[in-house]
Amino acid sequence: KNEVEQSPQNLTAQEGEFITINCSYSVGISALHWLQQHPGGGIVSLFMLSSGKKKHGRLIATINIQEKHSSLHITASHPRDSAVYICAPSLGNYGGSQGNLIFGKGTKLSVKP
Amino acid sequence: DVKVTQSSRYLVKRTGEKVFLECVQDMDHENMFWYRQDPGLGLRLIYFSYDVKMKEKGDIPEGYSVSREKKERFSLILESASTNQTSMYLCASSLWSGPEAFFGQGTRLTVV
Repeated sequence: KNEVEQSPQNLTAQEGEFITINCSYSVGISALHWLQQHPGGGIVSLFMLSSGKKKHGRLIATINIQEKHSSLHITASHPRDSAVYICAPSLGNYGGSQGNLIFGKGTKLSVKP
Repeated sequence: DVKVTQSSRYLVKRTGEKVFLECVQDMDHENMFWYRQDPGLGLRLIYFSYDVKMKEKGDIPEGYSVSREKKERFSLILESASTNQTSMYLCASSLWSGPEAFFGQGTRLTVV
């Protein structure tokens, strides 16, 4: 059973387009990460949020805890935004058998010049 | 800046070898995690530790063991590497109180 659903799986955009990636989850969480992974593997946490909205440069993340949904938006997309974006809700059961993060399968974004 | 450092970016090992993947964090975090990432399957938890010498199995612990002798270091051990353990391995850490997690740069392991 998938506790975290991300859409779309793949996304190709033209430079300058507005991009939205969606994440829905089915479990209770304490917060949610949006992660970015460039080719080569390293993961960077873009945002961690537990309510409302956060903005960093051209990136905006929103979360609705009641609806169990989060979105990541990229305004004025650029080829350097090409990466895999992963939604990772944080469970509250620290020390429990599941660890504290679960992951979506990722959205592979390709921005063409 | 929090740093989570994995000892190698790329490793190639032979089937049957004992393999050690090392992860060090410099922020005095209680929780440390090992994940593997495979195409189509995403990130899956292998083991985690919430204190020195404490460990808990994740979703896919078979074929792996871990060691946490010091708070800052969490090692993943493949006792006898097999080709189906070829994967990207990621380490992460967080405070006991969470929830913010920090990731290492990943180790791409190839078992031949």
